[in-house]
Amino acid sequence: DAKTTQPPSMDCAEGRAANLPCNHSTISGNEYVYWYRQIHSQGPQYIIHGLKNNETNEMASLIITEDRKSSTLILPHATLRDTAVYYCIVRVGVDYKLSFGAGTTVTVRA
Amino acid sequence: EAGVAQSPRYKIIEKRQSVAFWCNPISGHATLYWYQQILGQGPKLLIQFQNNGVVDDSQLPKDRFSAERLKGVDSTLKIQPAKLEDSAVYLCASSSLAGVYQETQYFGPGTRLLVL
Repeated sequence: DAKTTQPPSMDCAEGRAANLPCNHSTISGNEYVYWYRQIHSQGPQYIIHGLKNNETNEMASLIITEDRKSSTLILPHATLRDTAVYYCIVRVGVDYKLSFGAGTTVTVRA
Repeated sequence: EAGVAQSPRYKIIEKRQSVAFWCNPISGHATLYWYQQILGQGPKLLIQFQNNGVVDDSQLPKDRFSAERLKGVDSTLKIQPAKLEDSAVYLCASSSLAGVYQETQYFGPGTRLLVL
C-alpha cells in the first residue's frame, strides 16, 4: 500500500545527470518525501528527504513541486556505482513507517 | 561510526527447521526495525522496537516468527518452523530519533535465507 508511483526502470549515461521521477498525489501536508537506494546485495541506504523546499546534499538534489504531488531526485553526475534500486517513500500518517514500493531500477551505462 | 551489523549473512535450511538472525544496531540508537524483503519487492516492516519494548508488530506472523531485544541493544529474530515462502532477505535497521518525521533509518547488509 505504498503511496508513491515510480517508473519500474530507467537507464542513464555515466557522467550525465539522472532525473528520477516520483508521483505522490495523495501526500498530506505534514508528510515528508524520503528517498532511499539499494545497491545489489546491500541494505537500503538513505539519500535525502524533504517536506516543501528543494533540498541538496552531497549525494543528490530533491526537487518537490509546489503542490507537492510529485518530486524528482537528481543525481548530478551519475557513476557506475549509482546503479541501484531507488525508492521514493512518503511517511505513512503518524506511525513513522517506511513503506517501500517496488522502486525504480536505475542502470548507469558507461 | 560503525554501521548496523547482522549475522549470519547467509543461511540455508530445510522447511520446518528453525533459524535465528542477530542484529547489533548503531551505538546509541534506541529504535530497531526488522524488515523482510522478498526477491523483486521492497522491504516490508515486520517489527519495530523502541529500546526493549515493541512499538509495532502488526505485520509479524506471530505463529512462527518471534523477536526480542532484551537489553535494548542487540536483537534476534527467530522463525520456527520455517516455510518455503520465508525465503527472503531479512534486514535490520536502526534509528536514533523515534516519533519524528525526520528520523533516518540506517540498514544493515541483511541475512539471506533460503528455505528448501
